[in-house]
Order: sequence, then structure tokens, then C-alpha cells
Amino acid sequence: QKEVEQNSGPLSVPEGAIASLNCTYSDRGSQSFFWYRQYSGKSPELIMSIYSNGDKEDGRFTAQLNKASQYVSLLIRDSQPSDSATYLCAVNENAGNMLTFGGGTRLMVKP
Amino acid sequence: ETGVTQSPTHLIKTRGQQVTLRCSSQSGHNTVSWYQQALGQGPQFIFQYYREEENGRGNFPPRFSGLQFPNYSSELNVNALELDDSALYLCASSLASSGGDFRLPEDLTEAFFGQGTRLTVV
Repeated sequence: QKEVEQNSGPLSVPEGAIASLNCTYSDRGSQSFFWYRQYSGKSPELIMSIYSNGDKEDGRFTAQLNKASQYVSLLIRDSQPSDSATYLCAVNENAGNMLTFGGGTRLMVKP
Repeated sequence: ETGVTQSPTHLIKTRGQQVTLRCSSQSGHNTVSWYQQALGQGPQFIFQYYREEENGRGNFPPRFSGLQFPNYSSELNVNALELDDSALYLCASSLASSGGDFRLPEDLTEAFFGQGTRLTVV
């Protein structure tokens, strides 16, 4: 059973701080890793994808991947109240068929 | 806006009935995946369609079935609805550049979701 684990939260950070979201996965064969943001009652929105070990930066977002530790994280710099949402980590084993999602971490950014 | 559209947005059905949900993929995308998201959980993969054929299936019973049409739009059909089928149903489209044998990350673009269909079974 392939698993993707996330702390459900809520993770509460003050406005302007760095939010750090973490995800672990069980399948060592996983090749592709994604972070989605989901506002309440809405569908998931792709924020970042990462395929190689190391860091990938896009604006205020940085994804970090460590395949040896089976760990992927998302850093949000200068957090804004509009970043308050559930963040879903998704893992793809063979670059195709199915994404396996974690349960999501609820982030609350307080003004 | 992802360009992926789903219909209807909300639906209420009675236990035992059948339902059909529809998805139009993003322009140029040839692969459609369906997910079920129960309240408070992450999405669960139902199945994927590539070139009108099922190309992978998650742990869902046969009463969940689907179709993909030549224009790459797709339908999800659920027979004999159960109360536990109440969920947000999500469609995601991607572009596959290989022959459906997705071995490398570059063989399939990222998945973009539609707005979802909220199904309530009473």
C-alpha cells in the first residue's frame, strides 16, 4: 500500500513568516512530486512540481526533495493571509497513471 | 482557470440510483484522470483514460466506470449509489507525449483539475 503522509495541522504562522510544510512517502520508486493548494470548497490548484533531489524555487514557494529520506517539503516565504488553505502533497510512482495524495495540511496565516 | 470544466457542479442522488459526471479536458490534453475526495481527505485515484482506453485504475469497485471520447472529454459513471459515494469528484487532464507507457516524468505533463462535482447521496 503506497502511502503519502502529511501532518493534518492546522499549522498557524503569522503574516510575513515562513511556513514549512512536510510530506513523507513510502514508495522508493516514486519519480514525480507535486504540491497542490486547495481552498475550502474548491478544487486543488497546482503550485509546484519537483522531480530531482534538491530545491526548486518559484516566487515565494520553494519545494525541496530528498529521495534518500523519502521526504518532500514546501516552504512559503512572506506568508500572506491569502495563503491560508489546505496544501496537498502528491506523489507519482511511474510518471503516469495515478497520483497518490496525502491527507493535506491546513495552513492558517494570521494577520 | 485551468481550462478543465466539469458538470454538473452539484448533484443530489438517492441511494441505489446511477449518476453520470462529465469532464472537458484542457485544450490539447489527451489524458483524463478521475479522483474522489471525501470530506477532510486527500483525493483518491479512481481511473485514468488515455486515447479512449482505461490506462490505470485505483481501488474502486466495477460500479465505477468511465468513458473517454474522441475529443478527449470524459464521463464517470457510478451505478448503485451508496451513501459513502458522497464526495467531491475531480477530473484532471494532462498531455501524454509517449504511447501511454509513462516511464519518465517528461512523458506526462502535470495534472490540472477542474472545479469538481459535489455529489451527495441521500
